[in-house]
Amino acid sequence: QLQLQESGPGLVKPSEILSLTCAVSGGSISSSLHYWAWIRRPPGKGLEWIGSIYYRGNTEYNPSLESRVAFSIDTSKNQFSMTFNSLTAADTAHYYCARRGQRSIDYWGQGTLVIVSS
Amino acid sequence: IQMTQSPSSLSASVGDRVTIACRASQGITNDLAWYQQKPGRAPKPLIYSASNLQSGVPSRFSGSGSGTDFTLTISGLQPEDFATYFCLQDHKYPLTFGGGTEVVI
Repeated sequence: QLQLQESGPGLVKPSEILSLTCAVSGGSISSSLHYWAWIRRPPGKGLEWIGSIYYRGNTEYNPSLESRVAFSIDTSKNQFSMTFNSLTAADTAHYYCARRGQRSIDYWGQGTLVIVSS
Repeated sequence: IQMTQSPSSLSASVGDRVTIACRASQGITNDLAWYQQKPGRAPKPLIYSASNLQSGVPSRFSGSGSGTDFTLTISGLQPEDFATYFCLQDHKYPLTFGGGTEVVI
């Protein structure tokens, strides 16, 4: 059974950089059939797709966030990561990593709450 | 692509038939998925390609539609179905979600 697990700080100060990592187990991140995504949900709001990365390093970002976000992938460790800069309180959210394939987004991590506050 | 979901909230009882609508601002063929989310939990995939059930999802869940108009139907609401439901278009980047429908008792 595929599992995804996010890790990173729960509290970040405004203007600092957020780094999150998603460890994938039970399957290979080098699958040619899948993309690996980051999605967030601010408190009281809906879900927002941040972007995705392919095992070869190809990326797609949400244009609304593209100037502040960057993805990377480490196939040797079976994990992928996100850095997010210029944080404000509006970036407080549950952040999820997920897998996207022929069945759309079919696996999600449990999510990690990131609070942006001084 | 904007995804408009309705209603934003609905009240229902166990055993009821519930229908949730999702409308895309442009045609997305059948590239529409549905998710269920409970507080503090990750979204659970329900439906992909508008009408296909994900593995392990009860048959009381069904999806229909193509182009711009889609529906999620729960036939015979169960206590564990009280949650928030989201649609997702994965036809074109950036992927976009509907605003969500909260199903309450």
